[in-house]
Amino acid sequence: ETGVTQTPRHLVMGMTNKKSLKCEQHLGHNAMYWYKQSAKKPLELMFVYNFKEQTENNSVPSRFSPECPNSSHLFLHLHTLQPEDSALYLCASSQGPDSNTGELFFGEGSRLTVL
Amino acid sequence: SQQGEEDPQALSIQEGENATMNCSYKTSINNLQWYRQNSGRGLVHLILIRSNEREKHSGRLRVTLDTSKKSSSLLITASRAADTASYFCATPLIGTDKLIFGTGTRLQVFP
Repeated sequence: ETGVTQTPRHLVMGMTNKKSLKCEQHLGHNAMYWYKQSAKKPLELMFVYNFKEQTENNSVPSRFSPECPNSSHLFLHLHTLQPEDSALYLCASSQGPDSNTGELFFGEGSRLTVL
Repeated sequence: SQQGEEDPQALSIQEGENATMNCSYKTSINNLQWYRQNSGRGLVHLILIRSNEREKHSGRLRVTLDTSKKSSSLLITASRAADTASYFCATPLIGTDKLIFGTGTRLQVFP
């Protein structure tokens, strides 16, 4: 139990569906992250939020839309995805860039399959 | 852009043996971190070494850092079957919010 909870753990969706991934952290952290992990590829940083403000968008296609309503919750809204978007989506949190460590606490991930 | 690369990509050993994984990175760092990931699960932070440190221990883990060569190694001593996982190094890009991960080493420990 890392203090970061992701739901759902598994999601299958068609290319025309709209779905959302949810992440919640109970650690009092200020920063939250979305990473994508595809087979045989390094983890790709997608988005970073600090104090609810987006500070990084790593050239992610607009079919992925993040939302951070407060420091404890992070969403990833998905629409008109492609089969190549099938991957494990990992949420993480940290104390923030000023913490002098940058240690991340990860959730268990949401396994997404796009048909 | 990819910051770190681990070597080897895969490693198979018997229980009781030591496992050594290496990581190389490209830019200046203020720390380097190692994470572990069981198959299909989230990553778990193992150990952090600061740029002014050369070696650090935590239980059966030993991490070294050579900033002149931009490399780090993770040694797991007296390995166990439960150590089977993927291991990643990661470095924060200074001045950004980014923690960049390497490609990972898949470790298989046979009982």
